Amino acid sequence: GAGVSQSPRYKVAKRGQDVALRCDPISGHVSLFWYQQALGQGPEFLTYFQNEAQLDKSGLPSDRFFAERPEGSVSTLKIQRTQQEDSAVYLCASSLAASGRGDEQYFGPGTRLTVT
Amino acid sequence: AQTVTQSQPEMSVQEAETVTLSCTYDTSENNYYLFWYKQPPSRQMILVIRQEAYKQQNATENRFSVNFQKAAKSFSLKISDSQLGDTAMYFCAFMKPWGAGSYQLTFGKGTKLSVIP
Repeated sequence: GAGVSQSPRYKVAKRGQDVALRCDPISGHVSLFWYQQALGQGPEFLTYFQNEAQLDKSGLPSDRFFAERPEGSVSTLKIQRTQQEDSAVYLCASSLAASGRGDEQYFGPGTRLTVT
Repeated sequence: AQTVTQSQPEMSVQEAETVTLSCTYDTSENNYYLFWYKQPPSRQMILVIRQEAYKQQNATENRFSVNFQKAAKSFSLKISDSQLGDTAMYFCAFMKPWGAGSYQLTFGKGTKLSVIP
């Protein structure tokens, strides 16, 4: 089957604009993660969903960041009033179970956000 | 909080040779999971190898193997018979054990590996 997909692949936003980034996880995957990857850095955790429940949002850098997964499948990461420091690649990952027993996370190709 | 350190920002290796990428981590947990992920220039991250901390045996996947030293908190990746397709960023990552919270990965900064023909 298809892997994790993300759209758009590239987004340019003017400072102050709102953006919405979409993630389609692998069908049937219970867990969904969002990560932020700055240039030349490793990904950093933003938030975690188990089905439609957002169980951890400790990595969201400010209240301008909001994520949802209303039906337990597709997820949207929204950034309000974008700032230049928001420029990064946003990665989505999903895993089959919610066991927390070292399940493999499958990553999407990412959305590269550039704030001008 | 957990931290993962990759001290080699860039490395290169001749095709068909062997290379070892280093990773150290810091945690107070006893049971946890360690991973090596590969991110080719197309940017889709894929799993290379996985290690469970309570297993003493080092994980192996074809040409990829790890040297897991729990007491030293070291988790290095060895790539044998390097191929051009191994050129990528390699990230070491840590996951807390079941029951210790959500299951996100904590990544190092990565090592850029170039395989030279």
